[in-house]
Amino acid sequence: QQPVQSPQAVILREGEDAVINCSSSKALYSVHWYRQKHGEAPVFLMILLKGGEQKGHEKISASFNEKKQQSSLYLTASQLSYSGTYFCGTEKTGTYKYIFGTGTRLKVLA
Amino acid sequence: DTEVTQTPKHLVMGMTNKKSLKCEQHMGHRAMYWYKQKAKKPPELMFVYSYEKLSINESVPSRFSPECPNSSLLNLHLHALQPEDSALYLCASSQDGDTRNQPQHFGDGTRLSIL
Repeated sequence: QQPVQSPQAVILREGEDAVINCSSSKALYSVHWYRQKHGEAPVFLMILLKGGEQKGHEKISASFNEKKQQSSLYLTASQLSYSGTYFCGTEKTGTYKYIFGTGTRLKVLA
Repeated sequence: DTEVTQTPKHLVMGMTNKKSLKCEQHMGHRAMYWYKQKAKKPPELMFVYSYEKLSINESVPSRFSPECPNSSLLNLHLHALQPEDSALYLCASSQDGDTRNQPQHFGDGTRLSIL
């Protein structure tokens, strides 16, 4: 039931855009996005709830399509500080057990 | 600086040792979590405490023993670990145990190596 993320890894130049996808085989109540830099704690970015709501955080935004059971994270005009591994996360339906997606490693080059 | 503090940052222990990992938060959160993270993998949930009671144990071997002395503190007692237990152990907290609607706040982790 682990959400699958794509791509697995992406390399960008500063200023370029990227999209990270998170797909689940089970119905999703909500999707969370975290970024983890090497050797550091995962940092919460945003929560997407049912309703196709799009949220934003600086130049990072996300969408959630519960019918398609997927969420997408949009990074626009990427900065060096965006480098890290991005994880989506959700609750295993009806269990209160939290599970992270497979992860996407993103590297932004100057 | 994270608001969840974990100690120690690094720990090397033999397979016969007993040690403990500690986690502290002062955000008034009532749920605390232990995760295990192997290199280049996502964190995997181990235990959840909600209102100081163990609410989830993800079939973790008994050589890992969690303890929640109060709502601000979470310990993970380690005994007779195996080399495959070497990993980064992350602590997190949230407002309560409903992870659907709330973010989790993570500590920087304890990097554990078993010799």
